Amino acid sequence: SQTIHQWPATLVQPVGSPLSLECTVEGTSNPNLYWYRQAAGRGLQLLFYSVGIGQISSEVPQNLSASRPQDRQFILSSKKLLLSDSGFYLCASEQGGETQYFGPGTRLLVL
Amino acid sequence: GDSVTQMEGPVTLSEEAFLTINCTYTATGYPSLFWYVQYPGEGLQLLLKATKADDKGSNKGFEATYRKETTSFHLEKGSVQVSDSAVYFCALTASWGKLQFGAGTQVVVTP
Repeated sequence: SQTIHQWPATLVQPVGSPLSLECTVEGTSNPNLYWYRQAAGRGLQLLFYSVGIGQISSEVPQNLSASRPQDRQFILSSKKLLLSDSGFYLCASEQGGETQYFGPGTRLLVL
Repeated sequence: GDSVTQMEGPVTLSEEAFLTINCTYTATGYPSLFWYVQYPGEGLQLLLKATKADDKGSNKGFEATYRKETTSFHLEKGSVQVSDSAVYFCALTASWGKLQFGAGTQVVVTP
């Protein structure tokens, strides 16, 4: 079965600072990868998904970006964080067109 | 577009009570349906799923039946425990690989 790792687990950053969140996947190859954001007390919003190395699709316009430099590595970045970027960021992996498996998440607080 | 509607929480129950969380959906085609659970401070875990009409998903005492005629996938458990306290998300995947989540329902079980 797949195992998804995310780090850091928690991050506190000032407004305007850069961001890099990393997600790596074990136990599968060529997965589809996803970044979600969960704002406090709200549901999940799909931010990006990737079907392969270097292939990124964005679901919502924002100041975040994603990259997939390796098959099982998915990175979420920002050049300048906004207060509204605070939230819980979840990476998910899926292979075979069905169930998505989620990582433990990164809690980001922008002050 | 595809959407999922869940009952609003929080739902507060006593231990050993019966739990129902309503979920209805709109989608084109024949989506697969899922329930995910998020324990405090953690990522999402797949709880159960159903891939076609009249299928029943079950896990850890939870059950949900895919009802095409009522476009519903209600989650039930006959006797909840304190450890069932979590946020429950209903979701569907109607197009390639993407999950559409409901807003989540928080369940609080008291001793």
